[in-house]
Amino acid sequence: GEDVEQSLFLSVREGDSSVINCTYTDSSSTYLYWYKQEPGAGLQLLTYIFSNMDMKQDQRLTVLLNKKDKHLSLRIADTQTGDSAIYFCAERRNNFNKFYFGSGTKLNVKP
Amino acid sequence: ETGVTQTPRHLVMGMTNKKSLKCEQHLGHNAMYWYKQSAKKPLELMFVYSLEERVENNSVPSRFSPECPNSSHLFLHLHTLQPEDSALYLCASSDTGNGDDEQFFGPGTRLTVL
Repeated sequence: GEDVEQSLFLSVREGDSSVINCTYTDSSSTYLYWYKQEPGAGLQLLTYIFSNMDMKQDQRLTVLLNKKDKHLSLRIADTQTGDSAIYFCAERRNNFNKFYFGSGTKLNVKP
Repeated sequence: ETGVTQTPRHLVMGMTNKKSLKCEQHLGHNAMYWYKQSAKKPLELMFVYSLEERVENNSVPSRFSPECPNSSHLFLHLHTLQPEDSALYLCASSDTGNGDDEQFFGPGTRLTVL
């Protein structure tokens, strides 16, 4: 199918690590993205990974890519209450500027 | 102003009304997009414009009519909408180059159709 799939909810305690998972569909996808959406705001690009990489780290964020299983994950270390938001993964398939987004995972960080 | 702006931020309209959503980008980009975000559904790409020409139309009903008069402005004209069209409408822009063509999103217009 064409769906990018994510679980709908994740709750963690402040200071713990959060891992948000995503499965995508097209093995020819060139870039995979993580976006963050805070309440009342638009989507903000957090990080992306090129399909020939398997890991990318950016401060508290770690992206892992398993191309064989078409699985993407976002790990947030030392999760803070300000990280509470909806996180969308997206794949850019091998045609012009066409992005496919998951439904989003709502991350709730408890103090 | 910087980035991508959208007006209005909130809109309530009846099914017989005609209204327009506006998007403006100040990033010098050449591609602009309209997305629909409904509750608990994947973000849906509606339209893509590149260099002011429509290059993608994902089977969107004709009651949604986009307009791109120049590379900085994008409109979505709405008429005779249905209650199920209530959603957050997001505009985005990107450079038309290849590679890591990041899309920058506006804050969205929250549309309610009564």
